[in-house]
Amino acid sequence: EEQLVQSGAEVKKPTESLKISCKGHGYSFSNYWIAWVRQRPGKGLEWMGIIFPGDSDTKYSPSFEGQVTISADKSSTTVFLQWTSLQASDTAMYFCARSPTLYGGGYFDFWGQGTLVTVSA
Amino acid sequence: QSLLTQPPSVSAAPGQTVTISCSGGSSNIENNFVSWYQQFPATAPRLLIYDNDKRPSEIPDRFSGSKSGASATLAITGLQTGDAADYFCGTWDATVSGGVFGGGTKLTVL
Repeated sequence: EEQLVQSGAEVKKPTESLKISCKGHGYSFSNYWIAWVRQRPGKGLEWMGIIFPGDSDTKYSPSFEGQVTISADKSSTTVFLQWTSLQASDTAMYFCARSPTLYGGGYFDFWGQGTLVTVSA
Repeated sequence: QSLLTQPPSVSAAPGQTVTISCSGGSSNIENNFVSWYQQFPATAPRLLIYDNDKRPSEIPDRFSGSKSGASATLAITGLQTGDAADYFCGTWDATVSGGVFGGGTKLTVL
């Protein structure tokens, strides 16, 4: 079964670092884009960035460039989202989602279950 | 402020048809494909429509999508109480060189 399985919920303090993961199962991991999408409590979806694990080509939304790092490890079929210094405003649910293509904009055919990140002093 | 504009909420009775609009511009919808997602509380979004009007095999044909110019529309016919959810449109934007989502529309089935 094709699926994306994300790492568990995290509770962190401001200025701490964090790396969450999204592991692909049941498909050719290197041949599909994986995006990260933020959803703050009670709010909409925000496109953060996307990576093609085959060659690590990565694109970031201007709102998130420099704030997070997206990376991939083909050997473990896992994509990562990393922060070096969390802020309270990073509190949100983070989803990874698979895109078969970016042609014409792309779309997300399935999603991970989400990782809740809570940042509080 | 999202680059794609959706109505915050829509409502209709069971059995009726509802449409949800998604308005953008030349940098996004007009020159790219649109996708639509359904999200229930505390769950991940689910793909309903891709490439403006294509439906994954598991999605009922009660759901349909269309695009005209810089706007797209999701239509749901034969509304069911189980359709009550949040709906988001998405596409690519050339200005930000990245994906964008609409602000989301909450569907209430009365």
